[in-house]
Amino acid sequence: KAGVTQTPRYLIKTRGQQVTLSCSPISGHRSVSWYQQTPGQGLQFLFEYFSETQRNKGNFPGRFSGRQFSNSRSEMNVSTLELGDSALYLCASSLDAPTSLRREQYFGPGTRLTVT
Amino acid sequence: AQKVTQAQTEISVVEKEDVTLDCVYETRDTTYYLFWYKQPPSGELVFLIRRNSFDEQNEISGRYSWNFQKSTSSFNFTITASQVVDSAVYFCALSEARIGNTPLVFGKGTRLSVIA
Repeated sequence: KAGVTQTPRYLIKTRGQQVTLSCSPISGHRSVSWYQQTPGQGLQFLFEYFSETQRNKGNFPGRFSGRQFSNSRSEMNVSTLELGDSALYLCASSLDAPTSLRREQYFGPGTRLTVT
Repeated sequence: AQKVTQAQTEISVVEKEDVTLDCVYETRDTTYYLFWYKQPPSGELVFLIRRNSFDEQNEISGRYSWNFQKSTSSFNFTITASQVVDSAVYFCALSEARIGNTPLVFGKGTRLSVIA
């Protein structure tokens, strides 16, 4: 079974631009979560989607948004990029709903975004 | 508020030594889940273990073992007879199980270097 895939793996953007990252969950998984990883702040939760609905949102500005499609694939968008948005963006998928007590999250390899 | 502390930023050991990675957590909930993930240089977070707050039994999986102690709010991870392939950053994480699961809250990670 294929794991979580994220595209692109590496991305370089200029301040002020916007970017869209894609995540394809493990087949059959309906929950997708996004995390930002930086050296200073560590791993921080961005948002989670289940059945095309946002179920949880972290403490990030409105420039960060996401969506989930009917096939469970998810995209996250960052508008008006800032230098501080440079990070590894990790996507995780889960078979179970966010309310399930059993759920395990499986992570993709991440997209490394560099903002110059 | 939930919080995970990994006080050891970096640890270096010689191959075949045993090493313990510490994890201390804070939560007001009685029902929660604790996790350990491994992040090799490739960037992907690899799931190692999940433990719920009602199960304090220690667990052993090959060279890996975990010691969960609610009395000290700790969930430590020991690698026995370490190998070079164990070199990675290890993250401890917490998820509360109130009204639906809350997202994973990660510690800052411990970078383990195993020297041949």
